[in-house]
Amino acid sequence: QVLLVQSGAEVREPGASVKVSCKTSGYSFTNYGLSWVRQAPGQGLEWVGWISTYNDKTDYAQKFQDRITLTTVRSTTTAYMELKDLRSDDTAVYYCARVPTLFGVVIIPNRFDQWGQGTLVTVSS
Amino acid sequence: EIVLTQSPGTLSLSPGERATLSCRASQSVSISDVAWYQQKPGQAPRLLFYGASSRATGIPDRFSGSGSGTDFTLTISRLEPEDFAVYYCQLYGDSPLFTFGPGTKVDIK
Repeated sequence: QVLLVQSGAEVREPGASVKVSCKTSGYSFTNYGLSWVRQAPGQGLEWVGWISTYNDKTDYAQKFQDRITLTTVRSTTTAYMELKDLRSDDTAVYYCARVPTLFGVVIIPNRFDQWGQGTLVTVSS
Repeated sequence: EIVLTQSPGTLSLSPGERATLSCRASQSVSISDVAWYQQKPGQAPRLLFYGASSRATGIPDRFSGSGSGTDFTLTISRLEPEDFAVYYCQLYGDSPLFTFGPGTKVDIK
């Protein structure tokens, strides 16, 4: 059974950092990249970034370029998203989602075929 | 940057009716780059279609996806109570690597 299990809800003050984990199981970790997607309260889905679990290549949405770091630990099949310099408008549910890849390249047709349950990050003073 | 537009924003229908949801790209894209997702309140999104028309595992055949170029459509032939949700199209591109449309909410009339 494929599972993506994310860490629990976090509360941070503005200017702080948060690190969310996504523990995967039930499949070959390096055959799938991981994307991170966020959803502010009452809003739509926003793509945040992507990491290849094969070679750690990353691609970030431009608005997060200077504040986000995506990493993986292959030995524990876990991915991490760290977001720095948090602002109130970073308050959102953050999802990890699996993306089929081949040698680190997104397989066409692309899809986010399995999702984590989401992690609520609240930024408030 | 390719922008996705979804219409209508909200679709109010009754169970048993047909739902037609539109996703339009600001320039022509490959059908291989288009996917659709369903999201219910408090849940993570669920993959419905990839490659514009390939149904994901476990998706009922009352759902269908179609389109090409700039215009893509998700159709639900007969709405079941569990189909009332928000639907997003998604694009794989160059910069940004992935993009979501703003979503269409299908609610009960």
